[in-house]
Amino acid sequence: DIQMTQSPSLLSASVGDRVTLNCKASQNINKNLNWYQQKLGEAPKLLIYYTNNLQTGIPSRFSGSGSGTDYTLTISSLQPEDVATYYCYQYNSGNTFGAGTKLELK
Amino acid sequence: EVQLQQSGAELVRPGTSVKLSCKVSGDTITAYYMHFVKQRPGQGLEWIGRIDPEDDSTKYAEKFKNKATLTADTSSNTAYLKLSSLTSEDTATYFCTIFDYWGQGVMVTVSS
Repeated sequence: DIQMTQSPSLLSASVGDRVTLNCKASQNINKNLNWYQQKLGEAPKLLIYYTNNLQTGIPSRFSGSGSGTDYTLTISSLQPEDVATYYCYQYNSGNTFGAGTKLELK
Repeated sequence: EVQLQQSGAELVRPGTSVKLSCKVSGDTITAYYMHFVKQRPGQGLEWIGRIDPEDDSTKYAEKFKNKATLTADTSSNTAYLKLSSLTSEDTATYFCTIFDYWGQGVMVTVSS
Protein backbone atom coordinates (compact mmCIF):
# COMPACT_ATOMS: atom_id res chain seq x y z
CA ASP A 1 0.00 0.00 0.00
CA ILE A 2 1.12 3.54 -0.73
CA GLN A 3 1.76 5.60 2.38
CA MET A 4 1.26 9.36 2.38
CA THR A 5 3.26 11.48 4.81
CA GLN A 6 2.20 15.07 5.42
CA SER A 7 4.37 17.71 7.00
CA PRO A 8 4.23 19.57 9.20
CA SER A 9 1.44 18.06 11.26
CA LEU A 10 0.75 21.48 12.82
CA LEU A 11 1.46 24.83 11.24
CA SER A 12 1.00 28.24 12.84
CA ALA A 13 1.03 31.25 10.54
CA SER A 14 -0.12 34.86 10.41
CA VAL A 15 -2.73 36.44 8.18
CA GLY A 16 -1.10 37.37 4.89
CA ASP A 17 1.68 34.76 5.16
CA ARG A 18 2.58 32.46 2.30
CA VAL A 19 2.02 28.94 3.59
CA THR A 20 3.36 25.67 2.19
CA LEU A 21 2.04 22.24 3.11
CA ASN A 22 3.88 19.11 2.05
CA CYS A 23 2.84 15.61 1.12
CA LYS A 24 5.23 12.78 0.33
CA ALA A 25 4.20 9.45 -1.16
CA SER A 26 6.03 6.19 -0.49
CA GLN A 27 6.24 5.62 -4.25
CA ASN A 28 5.55 7.47 -7.48
CA ILE A 29 1.87 8.41 -7.72
CA ASN A 30 2.01 10.02 -11.17
CA LYS A 31 0.36 13.27 -10.03
CA ASN A 32 -2.79 11.38 -9.03
CA LEU A 33 -3.24 13.50 -5.95
CA ASN A 34 -5.99 15.72 -4.54
CA TRP A 35 -5.99 18.20 -1.66
CA TYR A 36 -8.92 18.61 0.73
CA GLN A 37 -9.75 21.20 3.35
CA GLN A 38 -11.76 20.19 6.39
CA LYS A 39 -13.08 22.72 8.86
CA LEU A 40 -14.21 21.66 12.30
CA GLY A 41 -17.52 19.83 12.20
CA GLU A 42 -17.77 19.88 8.41
CA ALA A 43 -17.27 17.44 5.56
CA PRO A 44 -14.02 17.77 3.62
CA LYS A 45 -13.98 20.09 0.62
CA LEU A 46 -12.02 19.47 -2.58
CA LEU A 47 -9.51 22.24 -3.23
CA ILE A 48 -7.11 20.86 -5.83
CA TYR A 49 -7.41 17.82 -8.10
CA TYR A 50 -4.75 16.02 -10.13
CA THR A 51 -1.96 17.87 -8.35
CA ASN A 52 -2.49 21.39 -9.68
CA ASN A 53 -6.06 21.92 -10.88
CA LEU A 54 -8.12 24.38 -8.86
CA GLN A 55 -11.63 23.15 -8.10
CA THR A 56 -14.43 25.46 -9.22
CA GLY A 57 -15.22 28.10 -6.63
CA ILE A 58 -11.95 27.76 -4.72
CA PRO A 59 -10.02 31.04 -4.27
CA SER A 60 -6.98 31.49 -6.47
CA ARG A 61 -4.70 31.92 -3.43
CA PHE A 62 -4.69 28.10 -3.28
CA SER A 63 -2.38 26.27 -5.65
CA GLY A 64 -0.84 22.83 -5.95
CA SER A 65 2.31 21.45 -7.47
CA GLY A 66 4.51 18.41 -7.52
CA SER A 67 5.40 15.21 -9.29
CA GLY A 68 6.70 11.75 -8.56
CA THR A 69 6.55 11.34 -4.80
CA ASP A 70 6.58 14.98 -3.61
CA TYR A 71 3.62 17.35 -3.63
CA THR A 72 2.84 20.77 -2.23
CA LEU A 73 -0.22 22.86 -1.43
CA THR A 74 0.48 26.58 -1.24
CA ILE A 75 -1.69 29.34 0.14
CA SER A 76 -0.28 32.57 -1.23
CA SER A 77 -1.77 34.88 1.39
CA LEU A 78 -3.32 33.23 4.42
CA GLN A 79 -6.81 34.36 5.36
CA PRO A 80 -8.61 33.75 8.68
CA GLU A 81 -11.13 31.48 6.96
CA ASP A 82 -8.29 29.15 5.89
CA VAL A 83 -7.95 27.80 9.43
CA ALA A 84 -8.64 24.09 8.90
CA THR A 85 -7.00 20.70 8.53
CA TYR A 86 -5.67 19.88 5.08
CA TYR A 87 -5.40 16.37 3.69
CA CYS A 88 -3.67 15.02 0.64
CA TYR A 89 -5.15 11.95 -1.04
CA GLN A 90 -3.65 9.65 -3.64
CA TYR A 91 -5.63 7.52 -6.05
CA ASN A 92 -2.84 6.22 -8.25
CA SER A 93 -2.66 2.80 -6.64
CA GLY A 94 -5.34 2.07 -4.12
CA ASN A 95 -6.66 5.04 -2.20
CA THR A 96 -4.86 6.69 0.71
CA PHE A 97 -5.19 9.88 2.71
CA GLY A 98 -2.34 11.60 4.47
CA ALA A 99 -2.67 12.17 8.21
CA GLY A 100 -3.36 15.86 7.72
CA THR A 101 -1.81 19.24 8.47
CA LYS A 102 -3.64 21.39 10.99
CA LEU A 103 -3.30 25.06 10.08
CA GLU A 104 -3.86 27.64 12.77
CA LEU A 105 -3.40 31.37 13.12
CA LYS A 106 -0.41 32.66 15.03
CA GLU B 1 -25.80 20.37 -8.59
CA VAL B 2 -25.12 16.92 -7.21
CA GLN B 3 -26.02 16.40 -3.56
CA LEU B 4 -25.34 13.43 -1.29
CA GLN B 5 -27.77 13.00 1.60
CA GLN B 6 -26.82 10.56 4.32
CA SER B 7 -29.01 8.85 6.89
CA GLY B 8 -29.17 9.93 10.51
CA ALA B 9 -26.95 9.28 13.51
CA GLU B 10 -26.89 5.77 14.95
CA LEU B 11 -26.37 4.44 18.47
CA VAL B 12 -25.73 0.72 18.25
CA ARG B 13 -24.74 -2.12 20.54
CA PRO B 14 -21.38 -3.90 20.30
CA GLY B 15 -21.48 -7.03 18.18
CA THR B 16 -24.37 -5.86 16.04
CA SER B 17 -24.47 -4.41 12.53
CA VAL B 18 -25.58 -1.11 11.07
CA LYS B 19 -26.48 -0.07 7.52
CA LEU B 20 -25.94 3.53 6.47
CA SER B 21 -27.46 5.09 3.37
CA CYS B 22 -26.28 7.78 0.95
CA LYS B 23 -28.84 9.12 -1.52
CA VAL B 24 -27.69 10.95 -4.64
CA SER B 25 -29.75 13.79 -6.10
CA GLY B 26 -29.05 15.95 -9.11
CA ASP B 27 -27.64 13.12 -11.19
CA THR B 28 -27.80 9.38 -11.64
CA ILE B 29 -25.74 7.33 -9.19
CA THR B 30 -24.41 5.18 -12.03
CA ALA B 31 -22.37 8.14 -13.29
CA TYR B 32 -19.94 7.81 -10.36
CA TYR B 33 -17.93 5.48 -8.20
CA MET B 34 -19.26 6.00 -4.66
CA HIS B 35 -16.63 5.99 -1.95
CA PHE B 36 -17.00 5.79 1.82
CA VAL B 37 -14.58 7.37 4.28
CA LYS B 38 -14.24 6.91 8.05
CA GLN B 39 -13.18 9.58 10.52
CA ARG B 40 -12.78 8.69 14.18
CA PRO B 41 -13.28 11.55 16.69
CA GLY B 42 -10.37 13.97 16.45
CA GLN B 43 -8.59 11.81 13.87
CA GLY B 44 -7.87 11.86 10.15
CA LEU B 45 -9.65 10.47 7.13
CA GLU B 46 -9.54 6.79 6.26
CA TRP B 47 -10.67 5.33 2.95
CA ILE B 48 -12.99 2.35 3.43
CA GLY B 49 -13.86 1.35 -0.12
CA ARG B 50 -15.86 2.16 -3.21
CA ILE B 51 -18.65 0.72 -5.32
CA ASP B 52 -19.41 1.12 -9.00
CA PRO B 53 -23.24 1.18 -9.06
CA GLU B 54 -23.15 0.42 -12.79
CA ASP B 55 -22.05 -3.17 -12.18
CA ASP B 56 -21.93 -3.46 -8.36
CA SER B 57 -18.17 -4.05 -8.44
CA THR B 58 -16.45 -3.13 -5.19
CA LYS B 59 -12.99 -2.48 -3.81
CA TYR B 60 -12.09 -2.26 -0.14
CA ALA B 61 -9.11 -1.19 1.91
CA GLU B 62 -7.53 -4.31 3.37
CA LYS B 63 -8.48 -3.48 6.95
CA PHE B 64 -12.15 -3.11 6.07
CA LYS B 65 -12.58 -6.27 4.02
CA ASN B 66 -14.26 -8.16 6.86
CA LYS B 67 -15.92 -5.12 8.36
CA ALA B 68 -17.65 -3.19 5.55
CA THR B 69 -20.02 -4.17 2.75
CA LEU B 70 -20.97 -1.72 0.02
CA THR B 71 -24.13 -2.03 -2.04
CA ALA B 72 -26.15 0.23 -4.31
CA ASP B 73 -29.75 0.50 -5.46
CA THR B 74 -29.95 2.26 -8.80
CA SER B 75 -33.76 2.48 -8.63
CA SER B 76 -33.52 4.76 -5.59
CA ASN B 77 -30.17 6.34 -6.50
CA THR B 78 -28.81 5.22 -3.14
CA ALA B 79 -25.60 3.60 -1.94
CA TYR B 80 -25.26 1.72 1.32
CA LEU B 81 -22.47 0.92 3.77
CA LYS B 82 -23.04 -1.98 6.13
CA LEU B 83 -20.70 -2.34 9.09
CA SER B 84 -20.71 -5.64 10.94
CA SER B 85 -19.48 -7.02 14.29
CA LEU B 86 -19.31 -3.50 15.67
CA THR B 87 -16.82 -2.54 18.39
CA SER B 88 -15.84 0.73 20.01
CA GLU B 89 -13.21 1.08 17.27
CA ASP B 90 -16.06 1.61 14.80
CA THR B 91 -17.31 4.70 16.63
CA ALA B 92 -16.76 7.37 14.01
CA THR B 93 -18.29 9.65 11.43
CA TYR B 94 -18.77 8.00 8.06
CA PHE B 95 -18.87 10.02 4.86
CA CYS B 96 -19.98 9.05 1.38
CA THR B 97 -18.25 10.90 -1.42
CA ILE B 98 -17.65 11.11 -5.12
CA PHE B 99 -14.69 13.32 -4.17
CA ASP B 100 -15.88 16.61 -5.55
CA TYR B 101 -19.09 16.17 -3.57
CA TRP B 102 -19.47 14.82 -0.04
CA GLY B 103 -22.35 13.75 2.13
CA GLN B 104 -22.78 15.54 5.46
CA GLY B 105 -21.48 12.55 7.36
CA VAL B 106 -23.24 10.25 9.81
CA MET B 107 -22.06 9.64 13.35
CA VAL B 108 -22.09 6.04 14.49
CA THR B 109 -21.65 5.45 18.22
CA VAL B 110 -21.02 1.90 19.42
CA SER B 111 -21.91 1.57 23.08
CA SER B 112 -23.65 -0.83 25.39
